[in-house]
Amino acid sequence: SQKIEQNSEALNIQEGKTATLTCNYTNYSPAYLQWYRQDPGRGPVFLLLIRENEKEKRKERLKVTFDTTLKQSLFHITASQPADSATYLCALRNDMRFGAGTRLTVKP
Amino acid sequence: EPEVTQTPSHQVTQMGQEVILRCVPISNHLYFYWYRQILGQKVEFLVSFYNNEISEKSEIFDDQFSVERPDGSNFTLKIRSTKLEDSAMYFCASTPVRGTFTNSPLHFGNGTRLTVT
Repeated sequence: SQKIEQNSEALNIQEGKTATLTCNYTNYSPAYLQWYRQDPGRGPVFLLLIRENEKEKRKERLKVTFDTTLKQSLFHITASQPADSATYLCALRNDMRFGAGTRLTVKP
Repeated sequence: EPEVTQTPSHQVTQMGQEVILRCVPISNHLYFYWYRQILGQKVEFLVSFYNNEISEKSEIFDDQFSVERPDGSNFTLKIRSTKLEDSAMYFCASTPVRGTFTNSPLHFGNGTRLTVT
């Protein structure tokens, strides 16, 4: 069956460090992958999309990589801030399913 | 920026009762979705809707659930006879085009928290 896995349920880092979140998938050949941010009690908010023919995508302090051989996407937040604390979800839009999310906490 | 709006923000109902959750998608969007999130769990796809019919549905979306676009603006999710396990946050989302072959992100509302007692 098709699966999306976000390896870490929770990630705690110090302010200023780079946070790296992982999304792995199996039994998919996705055309593209999206990353969303979800704050408690709120709906997910779209952050970035990366296509299968793109290795890397950047937006301000965010960077996403996509390795279709490894079936993995990495999501990086550089110079992290406490305001970046949230749950981050990856989604394979082929079938509109989300990973379980990684709860990031950035400590001052 | 246009938003997806959902009402009510919190609904409490008794087991066995029918509930209707309401959503107003972004006005020029064509594809509509319902997701649910049980407390502490993942966001789960329920159903997608286009051109007044269901495009896809998950195994969660059984005969107890139905969706409707009763007019040009509202998109509703009905649960006919609620069960305790239906307690969750229900999110509506919309996109201007279908996502599979485009880069169109999902625009989510802030959800309706359904509590079944």
